Amino acid sequence: DAGVTQSPTHLIKTRGQQVTLRCSPKSGHDTVSWYQQALGQGPQFIFQYYEEEERQRGNFPDRFSGHQFPNYSSELNVNALLLGDSALYLCASSLVGQTSTEAFFGQGTRLTVV
Amino acid sequence: ELKVEQNPLFLSMQEGKNYTIYCNYSTTSDRLYWYRQDPGKSLESLFVLLSNGAVKQEGRLMASLDTKARLSTLHITAAVHDLSATYFCAVDRSRQGGSEKLVFGKGTKLTVNP
Repeated sequence: DAGVTQSPTHLIKTRGQQVTLRCSPKSGHDTVSWYQQALGQGPQFIFQYYEEEERQRGNFPDRFSGHQFPNYSSELNVNALLLGDSALYLCASSLVGQTSTEAFFGQGTRLTVV
Repeated sequence: ELKVEQNPLFLSMQEGKNYTIYCNYSTTSDRLYWYRQDPGKSLESLFVLLSNGAVKQEGRLMASLDTKARLSTLHITAAVHDLSATYFCAVDRSRQGGSEKLVFGKGTKLTVNP
């Protein structure tokens, strides 16, 4: 059973560019959440997608947007990259309706903005 | 705004010793998670605590939850070098069953010395 998979694993971008990160949830899961983890910090919630719609959103600017596809996979897009966007981006999947479910995290995408 | 505080943030201990990591949170929540993260890696789920008084144990780690005190503890028994990692607690803010909008603490970096 494949767990949560993310691509790419590493990425280097220049300030002002745009980036797209991808996530495939664990088999059987229908909800995808994205987190940003700066170096030495805990992950911070960006947003969550369920049924192809943004369900919840954290305190991130509109430069951060996302999408969920019918197969439950998801993309995170960041426009007009800033140096401060350099971080590990984690995708987590879960299943709506299961109160005891836990979020399973992917291996992350390390984004470096130069 | 929900806040999650862990202490200590850094912990250096000798093999064979016991210690406890504390996780306090500011608003009512009945779901708390503990994760482990190795350097450069993703988050590995350790425990999911769903109710007041919940206690779970796995190997040398034991986690407990006191929802009235808004406190969770992660107790390490007879530490071994392999336990060296960063440990995060996270609280679920979601009010809808099954989905998680996790708020993380800053993490406790544990180093176990021979």
